[in-house]
Amino acid sequence: KAGVTQTPRYLIKTRGQQVTLSCSPISGHRSVSWYQQTPGQGLQFLFEYFSETQRNKGNFPGRFSGRQFSNSRSEMNVSTLELGDSALYLCASSQGTSNTGELFFGEGSRLTVL
Amino acid sequence: QQQVKQSPQSLIVQKGGISIINCAYENTAFDYFPWYQQFPGKGPALLIAIRPDVSEKKEGRFTISFNKSAKQFSLHIMDSQPGDSATYFCAARADYKLSFGAGTTVTVRA
Repeated sequence: KAGVTQTPRYLIKTRGQQVTLSCSPISGHRSVSWYQQTPGQGLQFLFEYFSETQRNKGNFPGRFSGRQFSNSRSEMNVSTLELGDSALYLCASSQGTSNTGELFFGEGSRLTVL
Repeated sequence: QQQVKQSPQSLIVQKGGISIINCAYENTAFDYFPWYQQFPGKGPALLIAIRPDVSEKKEGRFTISFNKSAKQFSLHIMDSQPGDSATYFCAARADYKLSFGAGTTVTVRA
């Protein structure tokens, strides 16, 4: 069974640009959530989607947005990039029907903002 | 504000020794407590998880101890091996959102 797939794995952008990251969950999983990992702030929750609906959102500015498609694949977008957005962006998937369900992470998309 | 406090920040253990990582939380809405292991350049991998109605869970060399009244939980790694050298994160989940501890870097010396 394939794991969580994130693309692209690495990307470099400049300040002011925007970026879109993609996540394909484990087959059969309907929930996708996104986390930002930085050395200073650690792992922080961005948002979670289930059946195309956002169920929860973290404390990030409106420049960070996401969506989920009918096939459960998800994308997140960051507009007007800032240097501080440089991070590893992790996608996680779960069945989504219970808060206690197992959550599996992808390898992440490493974003560098210059 | 960190909702899950994790200690120590790092630890060194000899091969065959026991590694112990502690976490504490305040939010009583948390009802799922997983531990993740992360190697450099990789995403976090689910190691073991526990629900608050259970006081202990063991899977192989990894054991979670959970104290609901004290709002504390810990990971014990028995018979530590060099391959266990990694960063370990405790986490707690409510409303489909995971709150992570700051992480513990474990180094196992051969």
